[in-house]
Amino acid sequence: DTEVTQTPKHLVMGMTNKKSLKCEQHMGHRAMYWYKQKAKKPPELMFVYSYEKLSINESVPSRFSPECPNSSLLNLHLHALQPEDSALYLCASSQAGAGTGELFFGEGSRLTVL
Amino acid sequence: GIQVEQSPPDLILQEGANSTLRCNFSDSVNNLQWFHQNPWGQLINLFYIPSGTKQNGRLSATTVATERYSLLYISSSQTTDSGVYFCRGGSEKLVFGKGTKLTVNP
Repeated sequence: DTEVTQTPKHLVMGMTNKKSLKCEQHMGHRAMYWYKQKAKKPPELMFVYSYEKLSINESVPSRFSPECPNSSLLNLHLHALQPEDSALYLCASSQAGAGTGELFFGEGSRLTVL
Repeated sequence: GIQVEQSPPDLILQEGANSTLRCNFSDSVNNLQWFHQNPWGQLINLFYIPSGTKQNGRLSATTVATERYSLLYISSSQTTDSGVYFCRGGSEKLVFGKGTKLTVNP
């Protein structure tokens, strides 16, 4: 069983909807990540939070808005998405600081934008 | 930024065969991790191996940081080994390779 939990597993939304992806880790890790993965591609880094502060933002469009309410939780708020935003969204955590160290991934949230 | 080259891009094996997957890095590496992505999309940790050799059952990995490469060995492959294998590594900024798609046929 993964120690990084993502909800929902599947999400279908229209371009005018507002939805959120949620991630929780119970390993006491201090860094949390959002990745986006398209079919047949490697994961692409979107955001990194380190000690609850945004430390890396890989020039992601503002229709994706991350939030880290505490060291165990990470949200990704979605608004006015485009069909090309359909992808697998992966949350991860690491003990070490932003961007380094061993990553542990959740099972992913598969997003479809209609 | 650092570039990661994974080889081969695709690999088809018969059950029971052995294989070696490779990651080459264009710059120094002091963090390196191997993952298996199953057909449902989950990325499963295989090894965190900045240097040296580790073994876990039928799988083992070796990283030679001074020469900027890592190898993943799969012995006596099983159909459940099918999926995509990724390495992720680097120094300050860690990046994923493009992956090796492994298909193990019964």
